[in-house]
Amino acid sequence: QSVLTQPPSASGTPGQRVTISCSGSSSNIGSNYVYWYQQLPGTAPKLLIYKSDQRPSGVPDRFSGSKSDTSASLAISGLRSEDEADYYCAAWDDSLSGPVFGGGTKLTVL
Amino acid sequence: QVHLVQSGAEVREPGASVKVSCKASGYIFSGFAIHWVRQAPGQRLEWMGWINAGDGSTEYSQKFQGRLTITSDTSASTAYMQLSSLRSEDTALYYCARAYCSGNKCPCGGYWGQGTLVTVPS
Repeated sequence: QSVLTQPPSASGTPGQRVTISCSGSSSNIGSNYVYWYQQLPGTAPKLLIYKSDQRPSGVPDRFSGSKSDTSASLAISGLRSEDEADYYCAAWDDSLSGPVFGGGTKLTVL
Repeated sequence: QVHLVQSGAEVREPGASVKVSCKASGYIFSGFAIHWVRQAPGQRLEWMGWINAGDGSTEYSQKFQGRLTITSDTSASTAYMQLSSLRSEDTALYYCARAYCSGNKCPCGGYWGQGTLVTVPS
């Protein structure tokens, strides 16, 4: 089963900018949009970014997404303590006929 | 306002089946697919399958082929996920999530159920 590749952990201090990467292949990120989710402990995932770089209403503009070829990134600027969570990327996979998720990145705010 | 409400926690013996429901409200149920995603303790999100709530067509991850059945009842605005031949590795939180968009290639969007814990003792 295809899995997108994310770093297992990331960290930053309040106010800093952090970036989380997501690497895939031509059958997923290379030909489809990327979605990013934030999961706080004990809660369901929350959609942060859709269609690679779009924010749903209510998501602060501190969060931004980008995509290039078979990779994508989530950037969080002005890091805050409440940003401490797990972050997952996802993309439709044409060979799977369904979405594939990354392994998740645990963000720690020092 | 869109809501997805799932059925309660379940405990099943190995080899048994479990059926989890996901009742939708606040939108036209047949207009969006419903995905099922699971998360084992401390593990990543894992896509299981989806159902087109409009025509009932389904797509399953190869990992669950033969064990997974996703159905829907349009009159009740409810989707169901049934997993059979359960083993201890199936212990996980099972989520339903509405597709982001109508049409093709629509992954999970902004509306998720609260999750249903399924426990299969070893």
